Amino acid sequence: EVQVVESGGGLVQPGGSLRLSCAASGFTFIRYAMTWVRQAPGKGLEWVAVISGGGTSTYYADSVKGLFTISRDNSNNTVYLQMNSLRAEDTAVYYCARVSIDWLLYNVFDYWGQGTLVTVSS
Amino acid sequence: EIVMTQSPATLSVSPGERATLSCRASQGVSINLAWYQQKPGQAPRLLIYGTSTRATGIPARFSGSGSGTEFTLTISSLQSEDFAVYYCQQYHNWPPVTFGQGTRLEIK
Repeated sequence: EVQVVESGGGLVQPGGSLRLSCAASGFTFIRYAMTWVRQAPGKGLEWVAVISGGGTSTYYADSVKGLFTISRDNSNNTVYLQMNSLRAEDTAVYYCARVSIDWLLYNVFDYWGQGTLVTVSS
Repeated sequence: EIVMTQSPATLSVSPGERATLSCRASQGVSINLAWYQQKPGQAPRLLIYGTSTRATGIPARFSGSGSGTEFTLTISSLQSEDFAVYYCQQYHNWPPVTFGQGTRLEIK
């Protein structure tokens, strides 16, 4: 059974940093790209970043480019999102999701975690 | 960036009836369009990709159609568990993939 479990959310002050983790199981991790999608309270979905299976390719939304870094540890089946210089508008539930196997053709997200809440506030 | 616009924002339908949700892209996305369902307090779930291909385990009452800039998600006979928010997503021109703002499907 495919499972994706996020952790690391919490309350952080503006300008602070936080690292989210996403532990995956039930599939051959290195074969799949992984992505982060966020959802501000009461709002819609916003794609944040994606990383290829081998970790050599990464892409970011303009809103987080240069501030957030996605990475992965294929020996531990874990994806990370390092978030720096956090702002109030980064407050959201952050979801980690698996990207479909042919991610360059079908950049869709077939398994999602339950999300972790990040609150940026003083 | 391709902007996705969904309509209506809220759709009220009775159980057993058909629901039709629309999604429009600001430029052509071929058939590179997916739909997700999200229930309160839950993560989104992939329903359809490639405009019309159902994801694993998705019932046949869910169907998708369209191409280019106009897309439709149809739920043929609404069940109680289908009342949720639905999002479309384009992946034709990325990064970024982009989502619509969502359609809330509520019980009439």
